[in-house]
Amino acid sequence: NIVLTQSPATLSVTPGESVSLSCRASQSISTSIHWYQQKSNESPRLLIKYASQSISGIPSRFSGSGSGTDFTLSINRVESEDFSIYYCQQSYSSYTFGAGTKLELK
Amino acid sequence: QVQLKESGPGLVQPSQTLSLTCTVSGFSLTSYNVHWVRQPPGKGLEWMGRMRYNGDTSYNSALKSRLSISRDTSKNQVFLKMNSLQTDDTGTYYCTRDHDSGHYFDYWGQGVMVTVSS
Repeated sequence: NIVLTQSPATLSVTPGESVSLSCRASQSISTSIHWYQQKSNESPRLLIKYASQSISGIPSRFSGSGSGTDFTLSINRVESEDFSIYYCQQSYSSYTFGAGTKLELK
Repeated sequence: QVQLKESGPGLVQPSQTLSLTCTVSGFSLTSYNVHWVRQPPGKGLEWMGRMRYNGDTSYNSALKSRLSISRDTSKNQVFLKMNSLQTDDTGTYYCTRDHDSGHYFDYWGQGVMVTVSS
């Protein structure tokens, strides 16, 4: 099974800062990584597909990069609505999710 | 528009069987795959299994012995059955979809909270 390790577990920031969230795979998965945002008591929302491909309707401040085993979700100038939990998910071999990174207000 | 909606009992007794239904609209079960994902309270997401567009199924190896996914295409419904429930099966259960052209989950149901308790 492919394990995804997200870091940090929690990231405390102030609005306007730019941040990078990491997702590391236990083996190479090409670019088969997808990112989701989950706000409290809501269903997950797809942000980025296949490591760096944008999704219609998602603000342009969200971007993704990486390939192989190391992936990054970047948020350029965090806004108040961005404070939530972010998950990565791989589809290279079956499906697994990372444990999530909580983005919180500093 | 695309919609998925989970339904089922909110409370299940330990050792009993959980039965959930995912009713979809706005797309065809013969074109898209439907998955079940669960989330214990305050914890992360766990992929449970998949009903493929062609009727094939696949399961998380950790749940495979207890889990069954089926469908009724005429009713646009996908079903989950999981037996021998324990308290750590408590959580929110989601159905979601992907397509063989891209294995990411683009639409999700609202989720249904299931509590395992006597």
